[in-house]
Amino acid sequence: GAGVSQSPRYKVAKRGQDVALRCDPISGHVSLFWYQQALGQGPEFLTYFQNEAQLDKSGLPSDRFFAERPEGSVSTLKIQRTQQEDSAVYLCASSLQTFPSYEQYFGPGTRLTVT
Amino acid sequence: DQQVKQNSPSLSVQEGRISILNCDYTNSMFDYFLWYKKYPAEGPTFLISISSIKDKNEDGRFTVFLNKSAKHLSLHIVPSQPGDSAVYFCAALPSDATNKLIFGTGTLLAVQP
Repeated sequence: GAGVSQSPRYKVAKRGQDVALRCDPISGHVSLFWYQQALGQGPEFLTYFQNEAQLDKSGLPSDRFFAERPEGSVSTLKIQRTQQEDSAVYLCASSLQTFPSYEQYFGPGTRLTVT
Repeated sequence: DQQVKQNSPSLSVQEGRISILNCDYTNSMFDYFLWYKKYPAEGPTFLISISSIKDKNEDGRFTVFLNKSAKHLSLHIVPSQPGDSAVYFCAALPSDATNKLIFGTGTLLAVQP
């Protein structure tokens, strides 16, 4: 069956540009998560949706980061006015479970490079 | 501060032998612990989990042990195979209903044929 897909896989942005990263979760998965993974580190939580409701956005590093999931399936992570420190791999995960979502299935990630 | 720590950045093991990956945590309020495996250019893949009320969970070649008093868990892979070569992340899920996984920094396992 289809897993979690993310697009684009790679994105190069000039500093100051806006970017939008897409996540298609596994069909029927209620919970959706975004993580940021810097080089040599583990993924760090950004935000969590249950269906279309954003229940936790405490990990978003600044107000330049915005995520949405308007119909409870596809999600978009938007970064405005990108900075060099935003360079990282952005991972999306989905889960059939609501809480606790201890089985999260990850997509391949989008590698963002800000020049 | 790092709530979940993997102090060994890398580990090399001979094929057929046991691989033991370690993880320490500082917060007593974790409900679940998980291990993920990651190949280059792919997302992490869920391997095995353990609830905080248990001390062992086994799935095929993979066994996770939890020592709550030491705030330590370990993943045992027996026997190790070359295809097990990957980065292994330990992660923990807090009991505070936030549903956010907290990951360690990973251990690169190399299984030598």
